[in-house]
Amino acid sequence: DQQVKQNSPSLSVQEGRISILNCDYTNSMFDYFLWYKKYPAEGPTFLISISSIKDKNEDGRFTVFLNKSAKHLSLHIVPSQPGDSAVYFCAARLGTGNQFYFGTGTSLTVIP
Amino acid sequence: GAVVSQHPSRVICKSGTSVKIECRSLDFQATTMFWYRQFPKQSLMLMATSNEGSKATYEQGVEKDKFLINHASLTLSTLTVTSAHPEDSSFYICSARDLAHYEQYFGPGTRLTVT
Repeated sequence: DQQVKQNSPSLSVQEGRISILNCDYTNSMFDYFLWYKKYPAEGPTFLISISSIKDKNEDGRFTVFLNKSAKHLSLHIVPSQPGDSAVYFCAARLGTGNQFYFGTGTSLTVIP
Repeated sequence: GAVVSQHPSRVICKSGTSVKIECRSLDFQATTMFWYRQFPKQSLMLMATSNEGSKATYEQGVEKDKFLINHASLTLSTLTVTSAHPEDSSFYICSARDLAHYEQYFGPGTRLTVT
């Protein structure tokens, strides 16, 4: 059972525009959410996170929004750059343990 | 930042043999390490969680006798795929976490191909 879902397997955006990646989850007990970026044949690298007590966290060009009532989070990248082209995974953590639940990933292509 | 290495990055082995993959945290002590598996175009699937000095906790459906995990020190965990079969071919990724951080830091992954 996939508790974290990314319903868009791919996304293409023009350079300079906004990229919006979406993630939905089912478990209301998740207390911490993260976004990871992954290039082919490499391990994921941490990008940005948000605690469940917040609804927004911003770090440079990256902003994560959390809507707990809708069990939805999104990652905004503004402005998008060609180097942002990668697969983005959202992950959620249960408060009682260390386990992360990952979404299936969204492949972002930023077109120059 | 925290660095996690994996060795080897790529391995090809014959069916029936065993393969060991190492995961090291280079600049921090990893109290917990995780092993994931990723199939093409699919999500990272957690295989097991290991805490230093104790037995690993395996996810449902993961054979613990086939995927042996050892976390003997705070900087090293190993995954041994025993009696490998072609269906074990996959991308294996480890991650490590210390007590001070929520984030997991991932290794670069190991591509296993069983012929």
